Amino acid sequence: DVKVTQSSRYLVKRTGEKVFLECVQDMDHENMFWYRQDPGLGLRLIYFSYDVKMKEKGDIPEGYSVSREKKERFSLILESASTNQTSMYLCASSWLAGEYNEQFFGPGTRLTVL
Amino acid sequence: KNEVEQSPQNLTAQEGEFITINCSYSVGISALHWLQQHPGGGIVSLFMLSSGKKKHGRLIATINIQEKHSSLHITASHPRDSAVYICAVLNSGGSNYKLTFGKGTLLTVNP
Repeated sequence: DVKVTQSSRYLVKRTGEKVFLECVQDMDHENMFWYRQDPGLGLRLIYFSYDVKMKEKGDIPEGYSVSREKKERFSLILESASTNQTSMYLCASSWLAGEYNEQFFGPGTRLTVL
Repeated sequence: KNEVEQSPQNLTAQEGEFITINCSYSVGISALHWLQQHPGGGIVSLFMLSSGKKKHGRLIATINIQEKHSSLHITASHPRDSAVYICAVLNSGGSNYKLTFGKGTLLTVNP
């Protein structure tokens, strides 16, 4: 079974802090994704990576950066957390080859910025 | 941009009832994904389909490409089926990874 893990289930940070959210997958997937999920808005793509050190902006990249130094690990960074970044953050991964490959999701990190 | 609409937004059922959740989209797609999210956050993939029908246990997913519509059915519903069900589509001719998500249907099954 594919396993996608996220470093924290719940996180509370203060405005202005630098925040790191970590995601690890164990299936050698090329693609990794970071989404945020807000009530009434559904899931929105923040960043996507298709290989080590490669990244693409999603629909809402402002205020975020990412890092992919190893194939299995994809980090989301909030350089200076703000209250409007309070949200549920979900990581996902999938294979690259093929017309479309199913995305496998992690358990999510609920981030609160005070 | 593909508009993905789910109905109903909220659904309450009694244990044992047959459940239907609908998903419609505005632009042709190459694949559609049904996802389940339990309270607490984690998302589980239920089905990925591009035509016809798929069945897994008490869950059945159908898609009508011409009508741009998919349904998720749950037979003999159980309180453990209570969750948010999310439909996501992959646009035809677009990237092979970028999904457009519906806002979800909150299902509550009472004992």
